[in-house]
Parts: sequence; C-alpha cells; structure tokens
Amino acid sequence: KAGVTQTPRYLIKTRGQQVTLSCSPISGHRSVSWYQQTPGQGLQFLFEYFSETQRNKGNFPGRFSGRQFSNSRSEMNVSTLELGDSALYLCASSLGQGNVLTFGAGSRLTVL
Amino acid sequence: DQQVKQNSPSLSVQEGRISILNCDYTNSMFDYFLWYKKYPAEGPTFLISISSIKDKNEDGRFTVFLNKSAKHLSLHIVPSQPGDSAVYFCAAKAMNRDDKIIFGKGTRLHILP
Repeated sequence: KAGVTQTPRYLIKTRGQQVTLSCSPISGHRSVSWYQQTPGQGLQFLFEYFSETQRNKGNFPGRFSGRQFSNSRSEMNVSTLELGDSALYLCASSLGQGNVLTFGAGSRLTVL
Repeated sequence: DQQVKQNSPSLSVQEGRISILNCDYTNSMFDYFLWYKKYPAEGPTFLISISSIKDKNEDGRFTVFLNKSAKHLSLHIVPSQPGDSAVYFCAAKAMNRDDKIIFGKGTRLHILP
C-alpha cells in the first residue's frame, strides 16, 4: 500500500510569489490534514479536508488556502509569500476523523 | 495558546537506560492522546496512543502513562536504543467533537552510546 505522497519535496520561492503544494493520500483515506513545521514551533495545524469539504481550519492568515478533490487528493496554496513562510509543510491522511494520521515526508519551502 | 506542551526541547539518555518524555495539556476536552516520532527528512510516524478511559498503554519497549487529574502524560522507552534518537511529538484530540489533532512542539531525544 503506497504511503502519503507529497510533491514537490523541495522548492525555493521569493517573497511575493505564490506556491501550490500537492498531497496524495493513502488509497481509501478520505481525510487530509495539513500542518506547518518550523523550528521551535512544532506542528501547527493548517486545515483538514474530508470528502472535499474543509472541516477544520487553524489560525493562519487567508493567504493560506487549500482544497480537496473528488479522488481525495489535496492541494494547499500560499499566496504573497513571506520569509516567515519558510517551513516544512506536512500532509497527513486518515480513514476518517479521529483516526491516526499517516504523514507524508513533507514539502520543504524556502522563501528568499 | 499552547494547548499541548512539551517543556523539554531536548533530552539525552544513555543507551540501555529508560527515556521518559513528558507532555502536559490544558484542554479538558482532550480524551485521546498520541505520540509520534520524527526522523530528519521524514514525516512523523505514529508510535502509540492512549484513550482517556485508560491510564496506561504498552507496546513493546514503549509505554504511555496518562494522569488525567494532572493533565499530564508521559512516554517511557525501555531500554533506549540508538535508533530511538529522534524528535518526539505529543498530540491530543477531543474524540467526541469535530476537532483536529493538536501537536506539541516536540522533544529531541539523543541516545548516547
């Protein structure tokens, strides 16, 4: 069974640009969550999608957005990038809410 | 505010000894707790969980203890092995609510030879 796949693994952007990150969940998993990991801040919740609906949202500005497709694949977008957006963005999938999350390896974003 | 707190950023333990990682939480609605382990350049992997109806859960070398009155949980690793060197995240969730899993900031565990 393939794991959670995130693309791209690494990317470099400059301030003001926008970025789209992709996540393919484990087959059969309908819930996808996104987290941001920065040094000293741990894993901060961005949002969760289930059956194409955003079910929960964290305390991030509106520049951070996401969506989920009918095949459960998810994307997150960050517009008008700032230096502080440099982080590891982790996607996790689960069968449904309340189940254990299975994480992908993450997309490391560097904003210059 | 930090609902899940891991107050020790790092911990060093001799190989073969016991590693104890601590976690405190503030939200009394949390009733399901998880520990994840993360190596560099990899995503976190699930280690062990515990429901609030129990005060202990064991899986091989890993045991999680829950003290609901103190809003405190701990992960014990016995005996500690070199491969246990990683960052450990404590996480919590309110299972009876439509809520997300909240993670702590993590504790970096170093197993010394």
